[in-house]
Amino acid sequence: EADIYQTPRYLVIGTGKKITLECSQTMGHDKMYWYQQDPGMELHLIHYSYGVNSTEKGDLSSESTVSRIRTEHFPLTLESARPSHTSQYLCASSESSSTDTQYFGPGTRLTVL
Amino acid sequence: GQQVMQIPQYQHVQEGEDFTTYCNSSTTLSNIQWYKQRPGGHPVFLIQLVKSGEVKKQKRLTFQFGEAKKNSSLHITATQTTDVGTYFCARGTGGFKTIFGAGTRLFVKA
Repeated sequence: EADIYQTPRYLVIGTGKKITLECSQTMGHDKMYWYQQDPGMELHLIHYSYGVNSTEKGDLSSESTVSRIRTEHFPLTLESARPSHTSQYLCASSESSSTDTQYFGPGTRLTVL
Repeated sequence: GQQVMQIPQYQHVQEGEDFTTYCNSSTTLSNIQWYKQRPGGHPVFLIQLVKSGEVKKQKRLTFQFGEAKKNSSLHITATQTTDVGTYFCARGTGGFKTIFGAGTRLFVKA
């Protein structure tokens, strides 16, 4: 198993709250990703980063924002949570080479009431 | 474009039966990866195929990459309840984004 961590694992929060989902990896990977996934459904890429100070929006439009100030850390922030944000958020990383293998964290299951 | 299509969307099997999921692309793939996600878990990398016609085995799992590098399959022989989950194929894009298929959900009845 790869060394990639996400906190919190579960979060139940009220509408309008600001939240930050944490993701850290200790493998020195340059590339990191955030996916949104509803139970049993496909993975939707919402943000990715190729390195420090590099962030891009993914294929699925998201109201969240990300930052990449350190190689190992890629937090995702929702300024004002809404019930439509209820989902699982998966962080992943991969090496900066021709390989595309992705290593996923355990995920954060977010519920917005 | 760069999407990969997976079929079937889901499959129910009796324990001991075989299972196959297919991944198809309209364009040539540089590589194809397979991931497994257990219910409530996260995707875990299984294997990557790179060469035309490549066949790789992991115990009861057999992975194939088509001769034209436009399709791939994952075959499980004699399924067990531990095989339950969603199997995703994913195409590499040369070191940039990885594009995932929609997944095939496997249900195994004991």
